[in-house]
Amino acid sequence: GENVEQHPSTLSVQEGDSAVIKCTYSDSASNYFPWYKQELGKRPQLIIDIRSNVGEKKDQRIAVTLNKTAKHFSLHITETQPEDSAVYFCAASGPGGSYIPTFGRGTSLIVHP
Amino acid sequence: GAGVSQSPRYKVAKRGQDVALRCDPISGHVSLFWYQQALGQGPEFLTYFQNEAQLDKSGLPSDRFFAERPEGSVSTLKIQRTQQEDSAVYLCASSLTDILGSTEAFFGQGTRLTVV
Repeated sequence: GENVEQHPSTLSVQEGDSAVIKCTYSDSASNYFPWYKQELGKRPQLIIDIRSNVGEKKDQRIAVTLNKTAKHFSLHITETQPEDSAVYFCAASGPGGSYIPTFGRGTSLIVHP
Repeated sequence: GAGVSQSPRYKVAKRGQDVALRCDPISGHVSLFWYQQALGQGPEFLTYFQNEAQLDKSGLPSDRFFAERPEGSVSTLKIQRTQQEDSAVYLCASSLTDILGSTEAFFGQGTRLTVV
């Protein structure tokens, strides 16, 4: 089945800096890669996703890049703000795994004011 | 409701007790997933339904765990003879399916189960 690795487990940045979180996946058939943000005690919520037919997608301060050859994808947050502090999860899904999302272990992002 | 609803939000069970966790998905969502999230970890897959059919239950940790979705809407995750290692947050998610296969999974707020 699919295996998703996520790094780093903790990321501490100063307000205004950029943050990058990286994930790798194992199943070359995976074709959908969402990123979720989970604030303490709350539900995971989708912040951005990318399909395998594109290499990059942006939404304001957030961008995701995908390298299908290397089987890795990354989340980029620019101009970080304290309200970006949360746990971020990457996931991968596709026909090889019956389209069931497999999640990484999460990155705790701390943005210091 | 507009989102995925789970109940109860919190459950404390004595070791050996049976529990039932409920999930109300978004109306019209074909796919329903159950995940287990331990403290500081990512969601771990338990089981998947497409309408009323349980297509994958490979993530259920033991035969004490049972899930159903009899009418293709509400789902119940049942844990028999609870043990301390069952303590976790149980997340339910639902999604549409389309010709591309995968779409956004919408999560409920979870049920925090504590076995004492």
